[in-house]
Amino acid sequence: GAVVSQHPSWVICKSGTSVKIECRSLDFQATTMFWYRQFPKQSLMLMATSNEGSKATYEQGVEKDKFLINHASLTLSTLTVTSAHPEDSSFYICSAMGPHSGNTIYFGEGSWLTVV
Amino acid sequence: SQQGEEDPQALSIQEGENATMNCSYKTSINNLQWYRQNSGRGLVHLILIRSNEREKHSGRLRVTLDTSKKSSSLLITASRAADTASYFCATDAKETSGSRLTFGEGTQLTVNP
Repeated sequence: GAVVSQHPSWVICKSGTSVKIECRSLDFQATTMFWYRQFPKQSLMLMATSNEGSKATYEQGVEKDKFLINHASLTLSTLTVTSAHPEDSSFYICSAMGPHSGNTIYFGEGSWLTVV
Repeated sequence: SQQGEEDPQALSIQEGENATMNCSYKTSINNLQWYRQNSGRGLVHLILIRSNEREKHSGRLRVTLDTSKKSSSLLITASRAADTASYFCATDAKETSGSRLTFGEGTQLTVNP
């Protein structure tokens, strides 16, 4: 099946710094990518939808200036958590789909962010 | 907001038994999907059932969909210890565009060897 790769798998950063998480579709062109956040033992909450070449659409309650999403190419989307705080610590998961992914949405392995 | 509700929240069974998980949702959907998540890992797509389908099989998995009751069930037959994971349903609502999935709260399945 299609592969979506996230990097880094885990990251620890200091409060106030920014951290970037990458999401890559390895074998198909991802015209749409989604970013989710998941707290321990909870469900996934959609943060934003990004379409290649256009601005991301954020879900209600998600601060677009804090969670910067860039989808500059058909294989890469990035999520930058700016001025991170401990409450931003979470598991962030991306997913991707495209015209040749057969209507299936493929998920990355997720990235653990810990802000200390 | 999450529209899916799953029950049970946690299920513990013995190897070889069947596991049934249920999911309810609130809006009209294009399709409903089931995903599996091992602890601390990403999601693995299991099966997709369209709104005009009532039942679908894939290996040891059987999914049903009742759009009149806005509910779905996932049955795993002859369970194995390796099936231990969290299982989520996700709906693709008709009212939204672009395949935005809304996830249920998940069922934590534990299969004891």
